[in-house]
Amino acid sequence: DAGITQSPRHKVTETGTPVTLRCHQTENHRYMYWYRQDPGHGLRLIHYSYGVKDTDKGEVSDGYSVSRSKTEDFLLTLESATSSQTSVYFCAISESKGGYQPQHFGDGTRLSIL
Amino acid sequence: DQQVKQNSPSLSVQEGRISILNCDYTNSMFDYFLWYKKYPAEGPTFLISISSIKDKNEDGRFTVFLNKSAKHLSLHIVPSQPGDSAVYFCAASARDDKIIFGKGTRLHILP
Repeated sequence: DAGITQSPRHKVTETGTPVTLRCHQTENHRYMYWYRQDPGHGLRLIHYSYGVKDTDKGEVSDGYSVSRSKTEDFLLTLESATSSQTSVYFCAISESKGGYQPQHFGDGTRLSIL
Repeated sequence: DQQVKQNSPSLSVQEGRISILNCDYTNSMFDYFLWYKKYPAEGPTFLISISSIKDKNEDGRFTVFLNKSAKHLSLHIVPSQPGDSAVYFCAASARDDKIIFGKGTRLHILP
């Protein structure tokens, strides 16, 4: 299994509070991704990183920011959480950007915004 | 606009029979296709992939077929086993671009 650790695994918080999710990898892969999974929507890309300090927006980036100060860590921040951000969040890593090198996923963070 | 479509939200198949999961895509620039499997409370795991230069790829019980003219791919699982009960995501990418996922199909293997 790819060495990907997401923390926390579960979190419940209130609307308007800031939330940071962490993804840590031990594979030294260049690319890291944050997805959210919602019923009826599948997996949707929030942000991704192609190197330290290099990030770009995905399909559903509004309300989210990311940072990557080290190869192994990719942080996802909800500056002011809203109920619509209740979801399961997955981190993924890959050696390259396209499908030639499949992405490997962490086990997810279940986030509930009350 | 959905570029990768899995039109069947769920599918039930008898144990031992063939499971066929379907996926359609709209972007003719896609050149690599993947299937992922997901169990509850776990992350998706890569299952099998196929390049656009092929029309079939096999790995044990799993075979993916690609029909480029119809922009359609399918995943065949033979024979289906109880452990195959999961959500299956179809995904595609175009030349070093991001992977786009479908909404998933929940497969139930019946005893």
